[in-house]
Amino acid sequence: GESVGLHLPTLSVQEGDNSIINCAYSNSASDYFIWYKQESGKGPQFIIDIRSNMDKRQGQRVTVLLNKTVKHLSLQIAATQPGDSAVYFCAENNNAGNMLTFGGGTRLMVKP
Amino acid sequence: DAGVTQSPTHLIKTRGQQVTLRCSPKSGHDTVSWYQQALGQGPQFIFQYYEEEERQRGNFPDRFSGHQFPNYSSELNVNALLLGDSALYLCASSLAAGDGEKLFFGSGTQLSVL
Repeated sequence: GESVGLHLPTLSVQEGDNSIINCAYSNSASDYFIWYKQESGKGPQFIIDIRSNMDKRQGQRVTVLLNKTVKHLSLQIAATQPGDSAVYFCAENNNAGNMLTFGGGTRLMVKP
Repeated sequence: DAGVTQSPTHLIKTRGQQVTLRCSPKSGHDTVSWYQQALGQGPQFIFQYYEEEERQRGNFPDRFSGHQFPNYSSELNVNALLLGDSALYLCASSLAAGDGEKLFFGSGTQLSVL
């Protein structure tokens, strides 16, 4: 079946640099996407979301970009901090309720 | 404002046993979803409860069942446990109306089946 996936399993960045985490999706009917952050021993924490009628949305230090033409989603984190170290998941809504389909996750490691 | 709370935090069972996990949704939320997260993987949808009924179900066998109570809290039951059921079980709550897709997750119950 169709699913959400990620390009890189691990991303290592220097503190203060910008981070970009990528995600590919295959369900062209998906109209809602969410990025979650999961720290060790905790559940996923909502970061930012975007609907398919937008191509960019900004939050505090984070920006999500959506390219529907190539079915690509990215999360940009500005001035990455040690506290940003976690696993990041993108998820898509399946248009049949509140069921989310998650990708496999990218581990972000921030070097001091 | 309490977030999503789950109990217990950790649980150890043996094959063939039954287990019940519990979840209290975020205040004001009326919909509860359960996800299974195997080690190193993303969460997988098990089912969702709204108005005390199962509204959606993922690709999980009938050994997985649930319940929602009038106060919106929920239970996940797993019968005849298998080693492969070892995982982090996450509960997420949301509001059916309005911005319903935005799920808020609990910290999960870590289930180990020996």
